[in-house]
Amino acid sequence: DADVTQTPRNRITKTGKRIMLECSQTKGHDRMYWYRQDPGLGLRLIYYSFDVKDINKGEISDGYSVSRQAQAKFSLSLESAIPNQTALYFCATSAQGTGELFFGEGSRLTVL
Amino acid sequence: GQSLEQPSEVTAVEGAIVQINCTYQTSGFYGLSWYQQHDGGAPTFLSYNALDGLEETGRFSSFLSRSDSYGYLLLQELQMKDSASYFCAVKSNTGKLIFGQGTTLQVKP
Repeated sequence: DADVTQTPRNRITKTGKRIMLECSQTKGHDRMYWYRQDPGLGLRLIYYSFDVKDINKGEISDGYSVSRQAQAKFSLSLESAIPNQTALYFCATSAQGTGELFFGEGSRLTVL
Repeated sequence: GQSLEQPSEVTAVEGAIVQINCTYQTSGFYGLSWYQQHDGGAPTFLSYNALDGLEETGRFSSFLSRSDSYGYLLLQELQMKDSASYFCAVKSNTGKLIFGQGTTLQVKP
């Protein structure tokens, strides 16, 4: 089993719908991240969390919200999806004090 | 804020050496990481430099100069499977990691 698991892997939805992307990890890391990837734009940080009570905005948090339900779970929500949120979304974890992120396999979201 | 610059594309031949540069501007710099991503896959960690100098891991090496806000990834004995995108990422003293836009490396026979 993967250390960092994202669900769903693929999702097609319509404008205005609420969408939740879920991430769970078995690495025992406190730090979890959500990134968005668009062609030519690299990975952009949406939100990050260093423990259950700690949530921080990243570079592009508008239109997104997150919930850290437990140390192992970090979910990303789009309250009202719009087409320019069509992207590949990655969840990642890290241990404190390192520069190494462990990524999930990604969730490809298409908003029509 | 933070910003990183790296070339968008690099082409090299099998067996050659290639260097991918990364310059950054950031407050509270803590370290520089490198990641590899094959088409359709997740990024995978290659290296992390918190101190000046060269770190070597097999065919890959990474260098950091904190005073120049500059680093590079060096790939030796290139193989076809090295064709991928490579990202530098800055870790700040707040703990977050911000990525560059990536360099697409094409290795030709």
